[in-house]
Formats: sequence, structure tokens, C-alpha cells
Amino acid sequence: SQTIHQWPATLVQPVGSPLSLECTVEGTSNPNLYWYRQAAGRGLQLLFYSVGIGQISSEVPQNLSASRPQDRQFILSSKKLLLSDSGFYLCAWSVGNNQPQHFGDGTRLSIL
Amino acid sequence: QKEVEQNSGPLSVPEGAIASLNCTYSDRGSQSFFWYRQYSGKSPELIMFIYSNGDKEDGRFTAQLNKASQYVSLLIRDSQPSDSATYLCAVNDKAAGNKLTFGGGTRVLVKP
Repeated sequence: SQTIHQWPATLVQPVGSPLSLECTVEGTSNPNLYWYRQAAGRGLQLLFYSVGIGQISSEVPQNLSASRPQDRQFILSSKKLLLSDSGFYLCAWSVGNNQPQHFGDGTRLSIL
Repeated sequence: QKEVEQNSGPLSVPEGAIASLNCTYSDRGSQSFFWYRQYSGKSPELIMFIYSNGDKEDGRFTAQLNKASQYVSLLIRDSQPSDSATYLCAVNDKAAGNKLTFGGGTRVLVKP
């Protein structure tokens, strides 16, 4: 069966520091991969999605970037974090069109 | 801009009653519809998906789709306190690589 791993579970970072969040999927090949952010009490905001290695689509202009160095690995990065980057970051995967997305456990990021 | 609308709630339901959640969407071309449950502080969990007009039942959950009226609903029968959560409606955007657009969620409170 397919599983998705996200780490770390929680992270506290100072303003201006770099960020790297990692997500890996097991048990499937060539998944579509997604990064979402959820601010406290708010809905899900799609940040990036990828349909293949090296293929990244950005949904919202910001100081974040994403990379997909391997088929089942998706990385979310920032060179300099802002206070507004605080939130709950979720990675998700799906296979094929019209199929549901499945979420990892998420990373709760707090910026001080 | 594709939109998915949900009443934010809270929807207060007595234990054992039926909870009825509604979701409307703007994109007539949407083909896939999903319901996710999200407990506080946790990631969304897929509970139902529906592709065709009509009803789809899975245990205590029933999803109802009406493409002509552009709404999808979720019924929770015999509601339990453990059903207290936020329920997210998601709709695929066929014109944009089948990405999902999420509603803001409906918070459900089941009172013993």
C-alpha cells in the first residue's frame, strides 16, 4: 500500500532563516505531488504541484520554492523565512486524473 | 477563479441525528468531488468521493451529487461525538491539470 512521509512534524524558525521540508511517497510510481499551506482556522492553499521529476508549477508568488529531485520526493524550501510563512504545511499525492489526493501528517511551522 | 463554497458552521448536531453538509462549486466542467475530514491539528483524511450524479453510500456516510445545480452534499447518519471535525469539500479543476480546489470547510459539533 502507498504511504506518505513528511518531516519534521513541528519546526520553530527565526525570521530570515532558511527552510527545507521534505516529503516522500512509497508504494507508487510517478505520483502527482502537492504542497499546501493552511493558516490557522483557514482553508487549504495550494502552493506547488508536480506531475514529474523536475516539473514544478507554482500557484502563489512568494518566497517559497519547491523541487522534485526524485520521482517520489518533493521538497519545499525558502532562503529567508517571513513571519507570514507560519502555518501548517501539507504534502499530498495522487495518481492519475480525477483521483483523490492523500495527505501526509503535515509540518507545523512557527516563525519567531 | 474557480470557487468552492461551504458554510463555515459550526453545525451543531445531537448525537444519533443526521448531519447534512452542503458544498457548491462554480466550475461546470468539474468531474470529481471529494469529502475530507480534518480533526483539529491533524491533516485531512479522505472519507468519500463521487463522480456521477446521484447518491453514493459508504457506511454512515452518503455523498450526493447534482451537477445541474452544481452542488455536492455529505450526510452523516447516526452522528457520533467522534464525528466532530471540520469537513472539507474538494472539486477537481479539469482545465488546470485536475488540481483540487478546496472549500473553506464546515465545522461539525456532535453533542452527546
